Amino acid sequence: SAVISQKPSRDICQRGTSLTIQCQVDSQVTMMFWYRQQPGQSLTLIATANQGSEATYESGFVIDKFPISRPNLTFSTLTVSNMSPEDSSIYLCSVVLIQGGEQFFGPGTRLTVL
Amino acid sequence: SQKIEQNSEALNIQEGKTATLTCNYTNYSPAYLQWYRQDPGRGPVFLLLIRENEKEKRKERLKVTFDTTLKQSLFHITASQPADSATYLCALAYDNAGNMLTFGGGTRLMVKP
Repeated sequence: SAVISQKPSRDICQRGTSLTIQCQVDSQVTMMFWYRQQPGQSLTLIATANQGSEATYESGFVIDKFPISRPNLTFSTLTVSNMSPEDSSIYLCSVVLIQGGEQFFGPGTRLTVL
Repeated sequence: SQKIEQNSEALNIQEGKTATLTCNYTNYSPAYLQWYRQDPGRGPVFLLLIRENEKEKRKERLKVTFDTTLKQSLFHITASQPADSATYLCALAYDNAGNMLTFGGGTRLMVKP
């Protein structure tokens, strides 16, 4: 398995501001993903974080709103830009060590936008 | 589009009994399927992975079955304990290379002493 940490664990932000969430893994991984879990809902994939290139976004998510970086095999950031109360969610990063293998999740970042 | 259904109603069982949770999907079969446990305010914890060519997988008190004809996976917890109370999520991967998961809505399990 992999040990995944996320920073911050939670935050309360004002409308119109941006927040950057960090995801750090204790070993090199093949793939990293970012998910969103809105209150009472299941997980929805935002994007695949690609090392050294632009992330691959799922339908309904765009780079201007959720810019993602992945400078190396163990670290990624997700920024939630120009936030509104609808962005209040838990944001989770996940990793896959080997293609076709198990996917492990970080503890999540709980974001509240006022 | 693919649809994944888990019973949205909570499952209440008595300690010591076997809990059985269901995950149904529509359209084409996934390459593999994963089950997770999620506690309130925490990220999902990986439990088991089963591939399309596997019928059954076991790990301690956990058992997963995968029926591609019925388009269904069953998740069993034997000798259930109050500590097993949580939400259980199934997630399907349709691409062996991509690993992108589509999640069901989850089923909340309550084990009463």
